Amino acid sequence: GDSVTQMEGPVTLSEEAFLTINCTYTATGYPSLFWYVQYPGEGLQLLLKATKADDKGSNKGFEATYRKETTSFHLEKGSVQVSDSAVYFCALSDRGAAGNKLTFGGGTRVLVKP
Amino acid sequence: DAGVTQSPTHLIKTRGQQVTLRCSPKSGHDTVSWYQQALGQGPQFIFQYYEEEERQRGNFPDRFSGHQFPNYSSELNVNALLLGDSALYLCASSLISEQYFGPGTRLTVT
Repeated sequence: GDSVTQMEGPVTLSEEAFLTINCTYTATGYPSLFWYVQYPGEGLQLLLKATKADDKGSNKGFEATYRKETTSFHLEKGSVQVSDSAVYFCALSDRGAAGNKLTFGGGTRVLVKP
Repeated sequence: DAGVTQSPTHLIKTRGQQVTLRCSPKSGHDTVSWYQQALGQGPQFIFQYYEEEERQRGNFPDRFSGHQFPNYSSELNVNALLLGDSALYLCASSLISEQYFGPGTRLTVT
């Protein structure tokens, strides 16, 4: 079945540091890929997405590129802020299936210190 | 435009009891999915409803059941609650692809 593996946290950074969160996936079909963010006490917010190989999703300074050859979708941000402290989830959706259920990774907690 | 709403926000139940959680989708969305998020883990897919029918189901026992109403709102029912059912239950709505999540219902089973 489909699965998503992402690096375990917590990841602790100083403000303005470079952030990378690794994500790899296994899928039987040709999935769409997503990054969601969860702030303390809140639900999930879609951060960015990519639907085909070599697509780059971007939002709020975050970027991720759909790499079919390495089955990866790593999240990057060049200069983090304290407000980026949250839990980040990588997810996939198998577009070939009826329905669009999401399969999530375990999440990576990011803490940005001033 | 109201987003996805869920009720109640928090709930405490005793082992063996039954619980019903409710979800109203984002305006214009016709598909509702439910996820269980245990503490410190990623959400796990429970099931998805479309046109008042269960379209997909994850690896959850029959104690978990749901319903979708003609106005696209949905309920999640859990019978014979176990301590392990304690989690944040997330509802997500969609029209075609992107899923929008509600704030969740925190269920504690004692």
